[in-house]
Amino acid sequence: GAVVSQHPSWVICKSGTSVKIECRSLDFQATTMFWYRQFPKQSLMLMATSNEGSKATYEQGVEKDKFLINHASLTLSTLTVTSAHPEDSSFYICSARAGDMGDTGELFFGEGSRLTVL
Amino acid sequence: GQNIDQPTEMTATEGAIVQINCTYQTSGFNGLFWYQQHAGEAPTFLSYNVLDGLEEKGRFSSFLSRSKGYSYLLLKELQMKDSASYLCAVVDSNYQLIWGAGTKLIIKP
Repeated sequence: GAVVSQHPSWVICKSGTSVKIECRSLDFQATTMFWYRQFPKQSLMLMATSNEGSKATYEQGVEKDKFLINHASLTLSTLTVTSAHPEDSSFYICSARAGDMGDTGELFFGEGSRLTVL
Repeated sequence: GQNIDQPTEMTATEGAIVQINCTYQTSGFNGLFWYQQHAGEAPTFLSYNVLDGLEEKGRFSSFLSRSKGYSYLLLKELQMKDSASYLCAVVDSNYQLIWGAGTKLIIKP
């Protein structure tokens, strides 16, 4: 199946710094990528949907100035957590969907990135 | 509004069979996914149903009834490694995925 690579797998940073997480589709072109956040013992929470070459669509309650998403190419999307605070500590997961609207919508997930803000 | 319902937690015994139900109310329907997620890991794909009926894949089977807005995931010959969360997700009329909150399955020896 299709492979999505996410990097870094885990990161520890100081409060107030910014952290960038990359999501790459290795063997297919991802027209749409999704970013999720998952707190311990909770389900996935969709943060934003990014389409290649256009601005990301953020879910209600997600600050777009704090969580910067860039999807500059068909194989790479990045999530930057700006001025991170301890409450931003979470498991961030990306997923990618190949093809155009009208496909089955199957998602291929990255391995996830665990962020700990001290 | 759009809604996906599945039980929060279920417990089963190793070697037994368990059925995890999912009911949905969405704006349109273009298929239903089941994903498995172990703690601290990303979800992995289990099944996709778009037509009514049962699809079997090894120890796992998935059933769909579109008229009832209902699906279930059936796990047979349970193994300890099956302890995980099982996520039901529906593709709506805009081809967006609507996620359930997940069912935590606990397997006991």
